[in-house]
Amino acid sequence: DAMVIQNPRYQVTQFGKPVTLSCSQTLNHNVMYWYQQKSSQAPKLLFHYYDKDFNNEADTPDNFQSRRPNTSFCFLDIRSPGLGDAAMYLCATSRDLVAGSEQYFGPGTRLTVT
Amino acid sequence: KQEVTQIPAALSVPEGENLVLNCSFTDSAIYNLQWFRQDPGKGLTSLLLIQSSQREQTSGRLNASLDKSSGRSTLYIAASQPGDSATYLCAVEGQAGTALIFGKGTTLSVSS
Repeated sequence: DAMVIQNPRYQVTQFGKPVTLSCSQTLNHNVMYWYQQKSSQAPKLLFHYYDKDFNNEADTPDNFQSRRPNTSFCFLDIRSPGLGDAAMYLCATSRDLVAGSEQYFGPGTRLTVT
Repeated sequence: KQEVTQIPAALSVPEGENLVLNCSFTDSAIYNLQWFRQDPGKGLTSLLLIQSSQREQTSGRLNASLDKSSGRSTLYIAASQPGDSATYLCAVEGQAGTALIFGKGTTLSVSS
């Protein structure tokens, strides 16, 4: 039973054309995260939501935005994708922000920018 | 700034071997450490989470240890199988609510 679901699994977009990636969860977790993982690199956190509170990492480009309309869903919006934004985008959830709260990852969306 | 390093970057072993993957981190003030598995083109599967107060965790053929003072963790895989072939990443949480800081991973290949 999938707990963290990402759609689509593969997304192709054109340079500069806005794109939205979707994540949903059935765990009823309070926290949802978006990570970017470029080829052969470590995943890097872009931002996270604790409930409705949005927390942006300091070095996340302004080109990346996120929305969380309810507990179950979280979206990643890339306003003007560049070639350098091609990557695997990973959504994760955790029950809470306290230490030891394990993060559960979705299968990822691989974004290609042409 | 926390940095996580995994050595080696790649490892090839024959089936049945016991093996150890290494992870080191520069700041010992961590809350927990997680080991993940990533299959090619896929997301991350959590294998083991070790909280800062713990020394090790075990799940099946996997055993992870943590030595906070020296900034090291190891993932021991017993009796390796071809199905264990994947990239293994370790990640540390510096304080509650902050990002997991990942290493680049060790890509394991187990041949039959």
